[in-house]
Amino acid sequence: KQEVTQIPAALSVPEGENLVLNCSFTDSAIYNLQWFRQDPGKGLTSLLLIQSSQREQTSGRLNASLDKSSGRSTLYIAASQPGDSATYLCAVRDSTGNQFYFGTGTSLTVIP
Amino acid sequence: DAGITQSPRHKVTETGTPVTLRCHQTENHRYMYWYRQDPGHGLRLIHYSYGVKDTDKGEVSDGYSVSRSKTEDFLLTLESATSSQTSVYFCAISDFTGNEQFFGPGTRLTVL
Repeated sequence: KQEVTQIPAALSVPEGENLVLNCSFTDSAIYNLQWFRQDPGKGLTSLLLIQSSQREQTSGRLNASLDKSSGRSTLYIAASQPGDSATYLCAVRDSTGNQFYFGTGTSLTVIP
Repeated sequence: DAGITQSPRHKVTETGTPVTLRCHQTENHRYMYWYRQDPGHGLRLIHYSYGVKDTDKGEVSDGYSVSRSKTEDFLLTLESATSSQTSVYFCAISDFTGNEQFFGPGTRLTVL
């Protein structure tokens, strides 16, 4: 069974800092990987989707990379802002395309 | 935002009672998913649907059933609710297997 781990569980940084969030998975046979943010008491908002054949995706200040062979993905946030404070989740879609496995998330606080 | 609504948004019920949660989408997406989110476990897939009347089990399907009689509606039923089913339930949709998932706002269910 696929296991997805996100470290650290919580992170606090000053505004303006660049930061990296980590996601690791145990089975490299994946279909794709998706990053989400979740605000307290809310649903999940999709940030970036990386297909298994891709190495990275970018959207604004966000860049996600994927190293399938090592079972790792990183989410890079440039010039962090207080509005970036949220929990960030990664999710792996397995090779069948039908099962999803989520990490427990990294809770990010950006201090003004 | 993807047009996904969930009802009810909050529900308190007693052990042994049946409960049905509804997910409604206006995007005409083929795939629909039900997840539960619990502290320490992240999101876990309960059931999914790949078309009208086509459903399959996820990682934690025991105690749950689903139905999809129309493209836009996906129902999750707890035949006899237990306290272990207290959780936040999220619905998600996707148009194709390899594409992004979009999430609804969630339903907080408490089973006393």
